[in-house]
Amino acid sequence: EAGVAQSPRYKIIEKRQSVAFWCNPISGHATLYWYQQILGQGPKLLIQFQNNGVVDDSQLPKDRFSAERLKGVDSTLKIQPAKLEDSAVYLCASSLEPSGAYEQYFGPGTRLTVT
Amino acid sequence: AQSVSQHNHHVILSEAASLELGCNYSYGGTVNLFWYVQYPGQHLQLLLKYFSGDPLVKGIKGFEAEFIKSKFSFNLRKPSVQWSDTAEYFCAVRSNAGKSTFGDGTTLTVKP
Repeated sequence: EAGVAQSPRYKIIEKRQSVAFWCNPISGHATLYWYQQILGQGPKLLIQFQNNGVVDDSQLPKDRFSAERLKGVDSTLKIQPAKLEDSAVYLCASSLEPSGAYEQYFGPGTRLTVT
Repeated sequence: AQSVSQHNHHVILSEAASLELGCNYSYGGTVNLFWYVQYPGQHLQLLLKYFSGDPLVKGIKGFEAEFIKSKFSFNLRKPSVQWSDTAEYFCAVRSNAGKSTFGDGTTLTVKP
């Protein structure tokens, strides 16, 4: 089966610019996650969707980050305006159901550099 | 609140040496524990997982982990490492609602 797809793979922007990332989960997976992974740290959950509804966005910096999952399939994560500290790899993952018993599958990530 | 602590940031071993990577977690509910691996240039992959039952779980590529509830630990082991095991390893705890918390990872370098 096809894995989780993400684009772009790399992005370089200047601070105060905006950027958007796209994720296509595995077909049939109801749950979608966005993580931020700063160099030297583990992935940190930003937002979790169940179908097209938000389950957990408690760690999403809502003043500059937004995410949506229209029609419960693809998702986009946007940063506007970007700050230097947003430089990180943004990972998308999906699972069949949100329960902890279901495996999460990760995409290759988008490496963002803010200069 | 969930938290995960991985004790070693960087481990260097020679081929055929034994490996043990430490992981301690904090979580008040039913625990689901995972080890992920990220090979250079590749995405995160599941190595093994523990939900319930036998506390000794076996994963891919000869890895295993032992869940010790009294110590809040889930250490990863492999009897004999290979050069191809060079990678970054992440321990994670996941709630029943699906929220995952990851440790900061351990970079393993295996010298041929």
